[in-house]
Amino acid sequence: SQQGEEDPQALSIQEGENATMNCSYKTSINNLQWYRQNSGRGLVHLILIRSNEREKHSGRLRVTLDTSKKSSSLLITASRAADTASYFCATVRNTGTASKLTFGTGTRLQVTL
Amino acid sequence: DTGVSQDPRHKITKRGQNVTFRCDPISEHNRLYWYRQTLGQGPEFLTYFQNEAQLEKSRLLSDRFSAERPKGSFSTLEIQRTEQGDSAMYLCASSLQNTEAFFGQGTRLTVV
Repeated sequence: SQQGEEDPQALSIQEGENATMNCSYKTSINNLQWYRQNSGRGLVHLILIRSNEREKHSGRLRVTLDTSKKSSSLLITASRAADTASYFCATVRNTGTASKLTFGTGTRLQVTL
Repeated sequence: DTGVSQDPRHKITKRGQNVTFRCDPISEHNRLYWYRQTLGQGPEFLTYFQNEAQLEKSRLLSDRFSAERPKGSFSTLEIQRTEQGDSAMYLCASSLQNTEAFFGQGTRLTVV
């Protein structure tokens, strides 16, 4: 079963605009991660945010985490056509040493010229 | 290349046949994950290992699925008596504990 759900399921924007994707999850977590997947390819890790962190930046990416609301957001600024992909959040639950990585349902981002 | 590699990349098999996939993780990673992904969906957890120990197996998996990770290195995923519903992309990933996972390119299985 999926731990997280991304919102929206699909997003279409023009190049240069910002894209915001949201992720909600159900249980307490150790960390939350965002991944990108181009069509038919493997997933690529983008950024990891730990449960005691509220915001992280990496280049044009900004991730926020609100553990009280069990939600996270991924902001891509100044989007490019090459950002077109599916984006997934994934969580590692806070259950000690043995905890799997569980993915959400994904947001499909289309960036047009 | 020191990334995660999966073999084969594509597999077409007849219904009822057994198939085995291999995953070679990044060498220093102690965790190895198997996921299944169908079109338009997120990766669905199948099983994962910490070193050679299989820590969890999805309740959604039938007994036709088995995975091993002998000596805590490479892993194999076997599907016995394949069914058309097994057609999917099978993804392998490795990581250190509670850190980012690195994915292979996947094995695309088509059961005809």
